[in-house]
Amino acid sequence: GAGVSQSPSNKVTEKGKDVELRCDPISGHTALYWYRQSLGQGLEFLIYFQGNSAPDKSGLPSDRFSAERTGGSVSTLTIQRTQQEDSAVYLCASSWAASGGGGDTQYFGPGTRLTVL
Amino acid sequence: SQQGEEDPQALSIQEGENATMNCSYKTSINNLQWYRQNSGRGLVHLILIRSNEREKHSGRLRVTLDTSKKSSSLLITASRAADTASYFCAIRANMEYGNKLVFGAGTILRVKS
Repeated sequence: GAGVSQSPSNKVTEKGKDVELRCDPISGHTALYWYRQSLGQGLEFLIYFQGNSAPDKSGLPSDRFSAERTGGSVSTLTIQRTQQEDSAVYLCASSWAASGGGGDTQYFGPGTRLTVL
Repeated sequence: SQQGEEDPQALSIQEGENATMNCSYKTSINNLQWYRQNSGRGLVHLILIRSNEREKHSGRLRVTLDTSKKSSSLLITASRAADTASYFCAIRANMEYGNKLVFGAGTILRVKS
């Protein structure tokens, strides 16, 4: 079956430009997460969506970062006025639930590698 | 700061040997999960162990959890070159962190053939 997909796979942009990264979660998954991973580092939580609840934006590093999830499915992460320190791999994951139980397993997309020149 | 801390940071072994990676954390958890990442791209879920479980097995993988020591270990037996990857532990601690997984910095495993 189809897994989590992300587009584009690679994005090179100039400092100051806006970028949009897209995530298509697994159909039926109610929870969707965005993470950022800098080279050789672990995953940094950015934002979390669960059903129709208000998203948990506690991980967004600045107000240049925002995300939407339309219709409980596709999500877009937008970075405005990109900076060189935004260069990283942006990973999206989805899961059935975020309850701490067995439905908690996250399924990751292949990521978008963002390079800000 | 990362709450799941793995050690060692890097591990290099010969094919056929066992690999053990450890994860320590600082708060009460709902569950702890291990993931594998190849080539800096998407992560693949390996095992989830709940806070009331002490050990789980999946194929050549064995995970233990000691909540009194706030630590977990991942053992890969009879390693293969294809096991070369980064391994991350992640904790879910709803009381402390809400509905998100908190990942450690990972252990880089290299299996030499």
